[in-house]
Amino acid sequence: GEDVEQSLFLSVREGDSSVINCTYTDSSSTYLYWYKQEPGAGLQLLTYIFSNMDMKQDQRLTVLLNKKDKHLSLRIADTQTGDSAIYFCAESIKSGGSYIPTFGRGTSLIVHP
Amino acid sequence: GAGVSQSPSNKVTEKGKDVELRCDPISGHTALYWYRQRLGQGLEFLIYFQGNSAPDKSGLPSDRFSAERTGESVSTLTIQRTQQEDSAVYLCASSFGQGVDEQFFGPGTRLTVL
Repeated sequence: GEDVEQSLFLSVREGDSSVINCTYTDSSSTYLYWYKQEPGAGLQLLTYIFSNMDMKQDQRLTVLLNKKDKHLSLRIADTQTGDSAIYFCAESIKSGGSYIPTFGRGTSLIVHP
Repeated sequence: GAGVSQSPSNKVTEKGKDVELRCDPISGHTALYWYRQRLGQGLEFLIYFQGNSAPDKSGLPSDRFSAERTGESVSTLTIQRTQQEDSAVYLCASSFGQGVDEQFFGPGTRLTVL
């Protein structure tokens, strides 16, 4: 199976909360990341969490990490139409002495009025 | 420039031709990565450079793919004898290669093989 798994689509109403879930495989990952890709643009780092943390909050974003279950989630409060994008979960996997970021397939978030 | 740039932005080629894709990373970034993104798919890791060396080439899908980096700066990804399944967006990213290691992505090159 894939190293990083996430659901492909999520549709929410403007103003509601969005929760995007991800499971990963490498327990030695030091950092776990959420990247955002807006239509026609490259990926940008949205937020990250250090592996010894279980929660990180940044304005409307909340990242939860469950190391036991290797589960990562991103919660967006008060979702806006501008949040419509593809969200990629990523972990760093050790390969050849270095850590290589490994990405999931991305979750397309659609926000409708 | 301030960000990662890639050229060309779009490339249409005929099956069997060779193509060369270019990436200009952010100055000072020692790590450089190439990914492939097929329509509706995630990012497929191809290769990364630490300086001018590529410690891990295991992600290259076939021996038709090669990459090099010079001067710890520009990188080129070459695809020989292109096939239709090579059609995808090829993304380049660079980073400092340590710590949080945020990757900064370029806009990508959309390759279409007819």
